Amino acid sequence: GAVVSQHPSWVICKSGTSVKIECRSLDFQATTMFWYRQFPKQSLMLMATSNEGSKATYEQGVEKDKFLINHASLTLSTLTVTSAHPEDSSFYICSALLAVSTDTQYFGPGTRLTVL
Amino acid sequence: DQQVKQNSPSLSVQEGRISILNCDYTNSMFDYFLWYKKYPAEGPTFLISISSIKDKNEDGRFTVFLNKSAKHLSLHIVPSQPGDSAVYFCAATLTSYGKLTFGQGTILTVHP
Repeated sequence: GAVVSQHPSWVICKSGTSVKIECRSLDFQATTMFWYRQFPKQSLMLMATSNEGSKATYEQGVEKDKFLINHASLTLSTLTVTSAHPEDSSFYICSALLAVSTDTQYFGPGTRLTVL
Repeated sequence: DQQVKQNSPSLSVQEGRISILNCDYTNSMFDYFLWYKKYPAEGPTFLISISSIKDKNEDGRFTVFLNKSAKHLSLHIVPSQPGDSAVYFCAATLTSYGKLTFGQGTILTVHP
């Protein structure tokens, strides 16, 4: 149990285009999902917290107009990188809380974004 | 301000021996701690966790020790196997807060 999937696993796009990444909890309902990014040889950096049916909460320094997050259902959250630029190239990972009463996050496999 | 620190960027261990990964934290409000294992280009995999009301939690080859007074936790892997080679992240949170604060990670290499 507690499987989280992401799609796509990798994407290459041209500068200025938008890219949507999906995060799904496959066998449980996740009221809260998180989006992280990881640069090479660095730790995971939390970008935002996504709660089903409400606006995402962004960490300091993360542009909410650039990284659009939608949590439309209990099993799906999406991250859209708008007008992507080469500096947005990174490894994006989502996670989901198994239940309200637990603090264990289960992570998706990640999405490698390369912006040319 | 790095609230969770893993001061050893790498660790090399012989197969069959014990691997000890260390983690320090500064925020005394943290009351739940987790260890994740991560391979390159993959998401982290949950390994083991511990609540601040305990000082030890064991699951198979993995044991996590918590020393609250020293604000220190460690992950012991016994016996170490080559398949354990990965990056290990410790993380901390406040119960029901949701957000995890990660350390920088330690690269573990287990030699056959």
